[in-house]
Amino acid sequence: GAVVSQHPSRVICKSGTSVKIECRSLDFQATTMFWYRQFPKQSLMLMATSNEGSKATYEQGVEKDKFLINHASLTLSTLTVTSAHPEDSSFYICSARSRTSGGAGEQYFGPGTRLTVT
Amino acid sequence: QKEVEQDPGPLSVPEGAIVSLNCTYSNSAFQYFMWYRQYSRKGPELLMYTYSSGNKEDGRFTAQVDKSSKYISLFIRDSQPSDSATYLCAMRGRDTGGGNKLTFGTGTQLKVEL
Repeated sequence: GAVVSQHPSRVICKSGTSVKIECRSLDFQATTMFWYRQFPKQSLMLMATSNEGSKATYEQGVEKDKFLINHASLTLSTLTVTSAHPEDSSFYICSARSRTSGGAGEQYFGPGTRLTVT
Repeated sequence: QKEVEQDPGPLSVPEGAIVSLNCTYSNSAFQYFMWYRQYSRKGPELLMYTYSSGNKEDGRFTAQVDKSSKYISLFIRDSQPSDSATYLCAMRGRDTGGGNKLTFGTGTQLKVEL
C-alpha cells in the first residue's frame, strides 16, 4: 500500500525558533502533497496544497511567511514553522496524492507530527 | 452553515453491534466521497471511497451515498473494540487539476465496548 512518513513524530521547541517537518512518500511518487493542522477533537484543517516543483497554494487565513512549504521532489515535502509561538502548538499532518491515484484522488496520510512550543 | 456536517459523538456501542455513521453536505458539486479512520494521535487511514451515488461493500464496512439527499453513511457490522476510533467523512468535486482538496467532516468518535 501507499505509505507516507513524517519526521519528527514529536518536537518541542522554544518560542521564537523555527521547526522543520518532513513528509515523505515511501513507495510512490507524490505529485501533490497537502499539509493539515488538527486541534484536539477537531477535524483536519487544510493549510496548503503543494505540487512538485511549484509554489504552494495556501488556504485563506494561513500565513505563507510563517508556514513555509517546499515540495522539492516527488517524494519529499517540508513544512517549516518559522518563529514559532505557543499558539502554533498543534498536530500537523501531511498527505500525498500519487501520480496514479484513481478517480477519487485518494490521499494517503502520514502519521502526524506533534509540535509543542514552550 | 458548514459544507460538511458530521455528528461528533461520542458514540458508544457494545461489541457486535451494527454502527451507522453519517454525514450531510451542502455542496452539490461533490462527487467523490471517502471515509477515513483515525486512531488517537495517528494520521487518518483511508477506509473506503465511493463515486457518486450508490453502495460499496468491503468486508464489515459498507459505504452508501445518496446524492439526492446529500447524505452519506458508513455502516460497520459486527463491530469490534479495535474499531474504536474517530471516523471522518471527506469529499471533493471533480478533478480540477489544482490539487483536488478534500473537505472533511469534524469526525465521529466511536467506542466499541466489550
